Parts: sequence; structure tokens; C-alpha cells
Amino acid sequence: AQTVTQSQPEMSVQEAETVTLSCTYDTSENNYYLFWYKQPPSRQMILVIRQEAYKQQNATENRFSVNFQKAAKSFSLKISDSQLGDTAMYFCAFMKNTGNQFYFGTGTSLTVIP
Amino acid sequence: SAVISQKPSRDICQRGTSLTIQCQVDSQVTMMFWYRQQPGQSLTLIATANQGSEATYESGFVIDKFPISRPNLTFSTLTVSNMSPEDSSIYLCSVHGPSYEQYFGPGTRLTVT
Repeated sequence: AQTVTQSQPEMSVQEAETVTLSCTYDTSENNYYLFWYKQPPSRQMILVIRQEAYKQQNATENRFSVNFQKAAKSFSLKISDSQLGDTAMYFCAFMKNTGNQFYFGTGTSLTVIP
Repeated sequence: SAVISQKPSRDICQRGTSLTIQCQVDSQVTMMFWYRQQPGQSLTLIATANQGSEATYESGFVIDKFPISRPNLTFSTLTVSNMSPEDSSIYLCSVHGPSYEQYFGPGTRLTVT
């Protein structure tokens, strides 16, 4: 079974600073996908960034980047130049290459402080 | 990305009644997914709905409690039956995107009194 662990229930960061959210996962699969989702208080789940396990290069989307360490089964999210709109719950998710089911972590509540 | 709408956005229901949640997608999709997010918790997959076949339920979820319909490639409904306060949650539907990501609807916040 796949498990996704987010060990930081809550985090805060000053506006314009950088913050890193951690995520580890457990799987015996070699091919899979990893995702970070953002859920603001309005509750709409929004895809932040995606990483394919077969790609060594870390994914980047504007101020968001990941540090993907396949051997360590680690997938952290770095948010640079934090903005007030980044305040949200962040979920790490895993999906096998051969399946459809997403496995979500328990989430990290991020607060950006003005 | 797919645009997904859900109705109702929220509801307050009495114990023992049923509520049907609708999910509409702006494009044809093979699979639709229904999740439950209990207060302060992560998302748990309830079932996968394929058009033309019965839904596939995850462990802990049964068809009698959460019947699902999938009449066409853009629409699905989830019914929460014989509700109890423990069913108070946000219910979300989602679909796959072209690169294996999932797109989510805005959710239905259900409160059972």
C-alpha cells in the first residue's frame, strides 16, 4: 500500500520569504507521479505542481519548485517570495503509473504573515 | 484544465435523510472520482465512477450508503443515504487531466444535524 506523510501540520512564513514544505512517501513502485495541491479557505483544490518519477529534473512552476529525492522517497515543495495568497492547506499526493487512485497526505496548513 | 461544477455547494440535512450531490464536467471524461474530506482531514477516495458500468468502491464505503450514478460522460451524482452526523464532510468530485493530474470541483459542504 502507498502512504504519504506530511510531518508538518502547521507552518508560517513572513511575506516575501521562502518556505519549504516536506513530504515523504512509501511505495514499492518505480514509476509514479507526485503532486502538490493547494486548498485555500474557499476549499477549491488547485494543482500547484507535478513531478514524474522517471524525470530526474525537479519541476518548477514560477515561485513553486520541488526537491524530488527518489531514493529517499522525499518530495518537498519550496515556495519562494511568499505572498499572502499562498495562505492555504497544502496536500502532497501520490499516484501509481498503473493506477488511477490518488493517495493524499494529511496536509500542511501554511500561513503567510504580512 | 477541466472545469467542474457541483451542486449544491452546501446543505444542512437532518439525520436519516438522503442528499444527492451533482457533479458536472465541461468535457467528456472516462472516469470521475468522488472524495470525502472530513473536518480538518485529508481527502479519502469513496469510489470511481465509469460511464456504463457500476462504480468501484474503496474499502469502507458501500453502494447502499453511497449510491453513484454515471449516466453520461460529463455528469455524475453521489447520494449520501440515511445520513448521520458522522457524514458531515466536504464531498468533492474530480477527473483526470491529460498528464495524470486530477482536477477537483469546488466541493459540497454537508452538515448533518
